[in-house]
Amino acid sequence: GENVEQHPSTLSVQEGDSAVIKCTYSDSASNYFPWYKQELGKGPQLIIDIRSNVGEKKDQRIAVTLNKTAKHFSLHITETQPEDSAVYFCAASGGNTPLVFGKGTRLSVIA
Amino acid sequence: DAGVIQSPRHEVTEMGQEVTLRCKPISGHNSLFWYRQTMMRGLELLIYFNNNVPIDDSGMPEDRFSAKMPNASFSTLKIQPSEPRDSAVYFCASSPTLSNQPQHFGDGTRLSIL
Repeated sequence: GENVEQHPSTLSVQEGDSAVIKCTYSDSASNYFPWYKQELGKGPQLIIDIRSNVGEKKDQRIAVTLNKTAKHFSLHITETQPEDSAVYFCAASGGNTPLVFGKGTRLSVIA
Repeated sequence: DAGVIQSPRHEVTEMGQEVTLRCKPISGHNSLFWYRQTMMRGLELLIYFNNNVPIDDSGMPEDRFSAKMPNASFSTLKIQPSEPRDSAVYFCASSPTLSNQPQHFGDGTRLSIL
């Protein structure tokens, strides 16, 4: 079955700098890749997603890139702000199988 | 629009007691998922349903755990008897389909077993 690896597990950046979180997946049949943000006391919330027919997608300060050949995808947050501090999860899904999540990255943005 | 609704938000009970967690998925979503989140294990998928039918319960840790979905708008996760190691945050999520669509999470039930 699918296996999703996520790195790093923790990330600290200065406010205004960029943050990059990387994930790899194992199942070449996977074709849907969402990213979630989890704030304290809340459930994970979808922030952006990408499908396998697209290499890059951007939404304001957030972008996701996908390399299907290498089976990896990344989340890029530019001009980070303190409110970006949270745990971020990547996930992958394909065929008839539900999302498989990475173990999460705890992002701290230092003011 | 109402999101996924879970109740209770917090539950504190003594070991040996029965615990029932409840979930109302988003209307029109055909798939429902139960997760457990702990610091040690992260986010674990326990069981999922499609069109009210359990599809895969291989993530359920023990026979003490059971889940039902009697109709499209309600699901329960039951632990009987509960043990201290069951303490965790339990999330319910729903999705239009089983795969290739985002799952929408509730805000979870924080369960503490004393």
